[in-house]
Amino acid sequence: SQTIHQWPATLVQPVGSPLSLECTVEGTSNPNLYWYRQAAGRGLQLLFYSVGIGQISSEVPQNLSASRPQDRQFILSSKKLLLSDSGFYLCAWSRRRRSIDTQYFGPGTRLTVL
Amino acid sequence: AQSVAQPEDQVNVAEGNPLTVKCTYSVSGNPYLFWYVQYPNRGLQFLLKYITGDNLVKGSYGFEAEFNKSQTSFHLKKPSALVSDSALYFCALNYGGSQGNLIFGKGTKLSVKP
Repeated sequence: SQTIHQWPATLVQPVGSPLSLECTVEGTSNPNLYWYRQAAGRGLQLLFYSVGIGQISSEVPQNLSASRPQDRQFILSSKKLLLSDSGFYLCAWSRRRRSIDTQYFGPGTRLTVL
Repeated sequence: AQSVAQPEDQVNVAEGNPLTVKCTYSVSGNPYLFWYVQYPNRGLQFLLKYITGDNLVKGSYGFEAEFNKSQTSFHLKKPSALVSDSALYFCALNYGGSQGNLIFGKGTKLSVKP
């Protein structure tokens, strides 16, 4: 069966510090991968998606970047965090196929920027 | 442009009573719709989806949803609510085709009282 991991589970960082959040998927190959941010317990916003190694698409301009160094690894980064980067970050995966498929979500990382 | 609306921020139901969580959508092409549930500080769990076929879709934990094309709705239902159903529910619309990009509603908090 497929499993998606995210770490760390929680993170408290000062403004201006760098960020690296990691997401890995097990039990599947060539997945589509996604990063979402959820603010204040509601409203998920798609940040990035990837259909393959090194292929990243950004949905919104922001202070964050994403990378996919391996097939089942997706990293969310920032060089300098802002207060507005606080939130709950969720990684998701789906099978890469022609038809519409379900996205499955990881447990999330809660980021607090002080 | 595509959009998803969940008109109720909160729904309160007594245990054992039927529940409905509402969702309406707007999309120019075929609608591909999903329901997810989120428990506090957890990732999203997939409940069910409508891609094509029967308008009544059955999913996990006794939930079902009715797709209504004329009313552009996809309401989530359960015949008999449990206290453990209390959570945040999200309706989502696929707008990215096989890339699977989702747009989410703002979420509805379901509270089931004993």
